[in-house]
Amino acid sequence: AQTVTQSQPEMSVQEAETVTLSCTYDTSESDYYLFWYKQPPSRQMILVIRQEAYKQQNATENRFSVNFQKAAKSFSLKISDSQLGDAAMYFCAYRSAYQAGTALIFGKGTTLSVSS
Amino acid sequence: GAVVSQHPSRVICKSGTSVKIECRSLDFQATTMFWYRQFPKKSLMLMATSNEGSKATYEQGVEKDKFLINHASLTLSTLTVTSAHPEDSSFYICSARDPGVDPLGNTIYFGEGSWLTVV
Repeated sequence: AQTVTQSQPEMSVQEAETVTLSCTYDTSESDYYLFWYKQPPSRQMILVIRQEAYKQQNATENRFSVNFQKAAKSFSLKISDSQLGDAAMYFCAYRSAYQAGTALIFGKGTTLSVSS
Repeated sequence: GAVVSQHPSRVICKSGTSVKIECRSLDFQATTMFWYRQFPKKSLMLMATSNEGSKATYEQGVEKDKFLINHASLTLSTLTVTSAHPEDSSFYICSARDPGVDPLGNTIYFGEGSWLTVV
């Protein structure tokens, strides 16, 4: 079975600074997808970024980028120029690519606080 | 864009009663929906995968008779918590895959979630 591990229960960053959230995963599959989701206090799940395992290039979405290390099974999220609105719980998630109907498997989450 | 709607957003029920939570895909047909449970400040735990027109696939440790899932149409899945007890109190979130947008299955939308409190 696949597992996702987020070893940082809480992180903090100052506005305009950069923060990196860690995520490792365990799988025997060679093809899969990795995601970072943001969950603000409203509890609505918001997709931040997605990475296909077969792509070597790291995904980037504006201030958000990932460092995908397939051999190390590592998938960290970097948030640049942090903003107060980035404060939320962040979940790393894995999905197998072998069946379109498989569910997301989530890590335990990292609570990010942003101070001004 | 596509929206997944959950109802009710909050519900309080008495111990021993049953409560139903609905998950609707508003502008797409969701052949597959997923139900998660989330405790405060904890992760989303997959409860079951719901496929339209067939029985749900439950994760290990999830009681099928307590958490009844029905996916009778392509736009509606329901989760019924039967004979609810205080330990069933939690936040329940559904998600749905839009195969029309992304056949690979990576376009996944989440509902707003439902807070269940059993007293």
